[in-house]
Amino acid sequence: QVQLVETGGRVVQPGRSLRVSCAASGFTFGSYGMHWVRQAPGKGPEWVAVMWFDDNKKKYADSVKGRFTISGDSSKNILVLQMNSLRVEDTALYYCARASGGGNTAFFDSWGQGTLVSVSP
Amino acid sequence: YVVTQPPSVSVAPGETARIPCGGNNIGSKTVHWYKQKPGQAPSLVIFYDSDRPSGIPERFSGSNSGNTATLTINRVEAGDEADYYCQVWDDISDQFVFGTGSTVSVL
Repeated sequence: QVQLVETGGRVVQPGRSLRVSCAASGFTFGSYGMHWVRQAPGKGPEWVAVMWFDDNKKKYADSVKGRFTISGDSSKNILVLQMNSLRVEDTALYYCARASGGGNTAFFDSWGQGTLVSVSP
Repeated sequence: YVVTQPPSVSVAPGETARIPCGGNNIGSKTVHWYKQKPGQAPSLVIFYDSDRPSGIPERFSGSNSGNTATLTINRVEAGDEADYYCQVWDDISDQFVFGTGSTVSVL
């Protein structure tokens, strides 16, 4: 069965960096768009970034563009989000999500349980 | 692109819940719906406007036209209590967008 396990979340000060990872299993990792979606406490989900392994294409939300970098290794089934210049408003539960369907009509059919990133002075 | 949902929808057991998802000409976009219970990750309940993933009851259906997409839950059960979010792709901003979310309460 599909399994996504996020790790790396912790408390970090504003302006610092943090790297969170997602280990995937149960499916052909490189055949899907892989996303990061975050959810601030008491708020709805917010899409963060996507990576397609077949053409190495990446997209980012405006709120993180230039600060966050998505990457991955399809041979190791690992997805990574490098977060730089963190802000208090980046505090959230960060989910790794698999997307099915084509490109811009993709939907998130599998989610991990999330890793908590807390940005606090 | 802003996608708006009512904060709450209340329904009696056995009745029908309709959860609207509003956006400018959203009928021209493809809408997906997620259910989220407290402490859990979101899970897909409707994709491509009206398709159900395996394991989702036929009580769940979706439609999309004009400026409103709608998730309909027939014969509502206590287990349907959750937050529900719609999601689209915005081609102008080139980003995935979630709706503001609706909490369904079963009276």
